[in-house]
Amino acid sequence: AQSVTQPDIHITVSEGASLELRCNYSYGATPYLFWYVQSPGQGLQLLLKYFSGDTLVQGIKGFEAEFKRSQSSFNLRKPSVHWSDAAEYFCAVGKGAGNMLTFGGGTRLMVKP
Amino acid sequence: EAGVAQSPRYKIIEKRQSVAFWCNPISGHATLYWYQQILGQGPKLLIQFQNNGVVDDSQLPKDRFSAERLKGVDSTLKIQPAKLEDSAVYLCASSGLAGGLNTQYFGPGTRLTVL
Repeated sequence: AQSVTQPDIHITVSEGASLELRCNYSYGATPYLFWYVQSPGQGLQLLLKYFSGDTLVQGIKGFEAEFKRSQSSFNLRKPSVHWSDAAEYFCAVGKGAGNMLTFGGGTRLMVKP
Repeated sequence: EAGVAQSPRYKIIEKRQSVAFWCNPISGHATLYWYQQILGQGPKLLIQFQNNGVVDDSQLPKDRFSAERLKGVDSTLKIQPAKLEDSAVYLCASSGLAGGLNTQYFGPGTRLTVL
């Protein structure tokens, strides 16, 4: 069965600092990987996705993620964090063609002024 | 393009009562999903529809939860009777390609509190 682990429950960074959120997955076949962001009271918004091809994926809001098959990881990065990035971030793996997502437990990001 | 619509946004009920949630997916999206998100956790898939047929409902507690998508467009999720542990946000999502590479788009969710 597929699973996703986000080791960091909470992360606090200063505004302008770089950010990396960790995601490790377990899946027997080629994974379809996603990062979503959820602001308080809002639904989930897709930041980026990896289906195949270039392992460095660019997303919205200046985020990027790198797929590393050897490490079963799909870490999310941003070079300079803005206060508006404070939210909860979820990594997910899709079972076949992006369907039937399994989500990690989420990482709550706080941004210090 | 209008997003996924859900109603109500909030619902408070007593345990053993019934409740229903409604979802209208993005126009033209064949696939519809219901997720349960308990506070502090990631969303968990309850059921997936392809048009008006069920693709997967293996994680749906069928003794109390039911869902339908009769005309292949909007969908209703029902809980009867509710338990305290059903307190959660219920998210609806839809995606556009039947069986192909696709992305799920989420609605704002319905926050259910069971007292």
